[in-house]
Amino acid sequence: QVQLVQSGAEVKKPGSSVRVSCRPSGGPFNNFAISWVRQAPGQGLEWMGGIIPLFGTPHYAQKFRGRVSVTADKATSTAYMELSSLRSEDTAVYYCARGIDIPQVQHYYYMDVWGTGTTVTVSS
Amino acid sequence: ETVLTQSPATLSLSPGERATLSCRASQTVSSSLAWYQQKPGQAPRLLIYDTSDRATGVPGRFTASGSGTDFTLTISTLEPEDFAVYYCQQRAVWPPTFGGGTRVEI
Repeated sequence: QVQLVQSGAEVKKPGSSVRVSCRPSGGPFNNFAISWVRQAPGQGLEWMGGIIPLFGTPHYAQKFRGRVSVTADKATSTAYMELSSLRSEDTAVYYCARGIDIPQVQHYYYMDVWGTGTTVTVSS
Repeated sequence: ETVLTQSPATLSLSPGERATLSCRASQTVSSSLAWYQQKPGQAPRLLIYDTSDRATGVPGRFTASGSGTDFTLTISTLEPEDFAVYYCQQRAVWPPTFGGGTRVEI
């Protein structure tokens, strides 16, 4: 069964940046839509950005444009999300998620396989 | 961005009962809507995509319908493991957005 393994928890100072990685434990990855979704404590889900590694063009939610960078390394089947200018409101669990393994929808930003989650705490 | 409004915020039911969850979009999203289930401390789980297609392994008691701006997720007979938070998500209008969630509690 495919799993997405994310990098470990981070504690960051306000104004700094964080980079989270995401790679599959097995199974295909590069030809799927990869999303980054965050969830603040006790709150709902928020889509931040995504990429299809095969094509390489990132897509961002307007709210995060200019502060988030989503990249992918096809050779290692790893996706990255970097968030800069961190503030306390960015404290959240950050998930990567892969699209659905059906050819007609695999490039769509639906989220079928989810990562292990990375807790990012922003605190002075 | 497209706002998804889920109702009710909380649904209090008993095992064996039927649950009906609603998701309303601020503009049409065609049929490009998904539903997720999330339990405490876990990542969300995809249940439904493209309005009514069940994801792999999702039990048949989960059905969904709708189009345009109004969508419904129905759990025909609640099992103990179904008590969780449910989110809808649209991908038709950029950017993809989630609803605020409906908590199904005992």
